[in-house]
Amino acid sequence: GQNIDQPTEMTATEGAIVQINCTYQTSGFNGLFWYQQHAGEAPTFLSYNVLDGLEEKGRFSSFLSRSKGYSYLLLKELQMKDSASYLCAVREFNNYQLIWGAGTKLIIKP
Amino acid sequence: DAMVIQNPRYQVTQFGKPVTLSCSQTLNHNVMYWYQQKSSQAPKLLFHYYDKDFNNEADTPDNFQSRRPNTSFCFLDIRSPGLGDAAMYLCATSRDRGGKETQYFGPGTRLLVL
Repeated sequence: GQNIDQPTEMTATEGAIVQINCTYQTSGFNGLFWYQQHAGEAPTFLSYNVLDGLEEKGRFSSFLSRSKGYSYLLLKELQMKDSASYLCAVREFNNYQLIWGAGTKLIIKP
Repeated sequence: DAMVIQNPRYQVTQFGKPVTLSCSQTLNHNVMYWYQQKSSQAPKLLFHYYDKDFNNEADTPDNFQSRRPNTSFCFLDIRSPGLGDAAMYLCATSRDRGGKETQYFGPGTRLLVL
């Protein structure tokens, strides 16, 4: 079956680094997305991985290992505005729709 | 700026009273999606339009219907809202389906059922 697992909640300190993990079990794999969602707002696109390795975009990086069914989102130099939920979503091969995780709520403390 | 717009941002309705949520886009994307998201849960895809082609998810209740009169607009109709339908309803668009196509979301409509 299809399954996406993420930690429910994480806490980190302003200025620090945090890694949010996502593991998935799907029928085939055709890409993994990370979205950021502030409370009461719509998800916004952060990153896309389809090949193994690290994709870096400023303070945010996303890593993928297809053999392990594993991805992480790395946030550096944390700012208070990074407090949000981070959703992992996987697209299966030959399937248009995204399979979404429930999201990880990240709390940043001063 | 090109964007996805949803109206209203907040909607209060009564149990059993039909309600319509609207979505418009200036991105000229082919695909429009409707998701339901409840607190601390993953977004749940209700249906999507690929151009004029309507695609319903197997587990979407009959109570939910959709219309796409043209490329820019898409509506979600809830024929007889129940208390369990209270949620955030998200509209999203993408240029095409599959592959690396990114979905762009509107700000959502939060529905409250009394």
